[in-house]
Amino acid sequence: GAGVSQSPRYKVAKRGQDVALRCDPISGHVSLFWYQQALGQGPEFLTYFQNEAQLDKSGLPSDRFFAERPEGSVSTLKIQRTQQEDSAVYLCASSPRRITGYSPLHFGNGTRLTVT
Amino acid sequence: AQKITQTQPGMFVQEKEAVTLDCTYDTSDQSYGLFWYKQPSSGEMIFLIYQGSYDEQNATEGRYSLNFQKARKSANLVISASQLGDSAMYFCAMRFGSARQLTFGSGTQLTVLP
Repeated sequence: GAGVSQSPRYKVAKRGQDVALRCDPISGHVSLFWYQQALGQGPEFLTYFQNEAQLDKSGLPSDRFFAERPEGSVSTLKIQRTQQEDSAVYLCASSPRRITGYSPLHFGNGTRLTVT
Repeated sequence: AQKITQTQPGMFVQEKEAVTLDCTYDTSDQSYGLFWYKQPSSGEMIFLIYQGSYDEQNATEGRYSLNFQKARKSANLVISASQLGDSAMYFCAMRFGSARQLTFGSGTQLTVLP
């Protein structure tokens, strides 16, 4: 079946522009995560949704970052007034149920954001 | 503090040989889960293997096995009979206690030589 789909695959933004990154999780998946991966580093947690509820946004680096999942399926990560340090790959991951100890995440290919 | 350390930024292995990728962690939680992911150049994170902190037997999945040493707080990934397609970045990740998110190490770039 279809995996986690993210769009766009690549995004170039001028500093100060707003961007919106989309994630289509695997159909029926309850849990959804956003991660930020800087070049050569491991992914860093941004935020977590269970259905439409955003249960944890402790990883969002500033109030310029905003995520939503209004109908419990597709999610959008929005970054306002982009800055150069926002340049990274943004990964979306989903899981079929509520998260327990053994709940591997299924990742998309990511969106590579470059802020010039 | 909860921390994951992968001390090998890069590793080389000859095709058909076995290789061990190191992962150590620091946590005061008694309950946690250990995961290994592979990230090829395409960017997608691929789940390889899981070990729970209370599992007594080391996990195995095909050519992947996890050398879990709880007292030493290490969870090394062993890949047997390496293939050229194994060349990728490998990440150790953990779910600590009741946390929902995975915390990732900094990764090891594995290159398999023909």
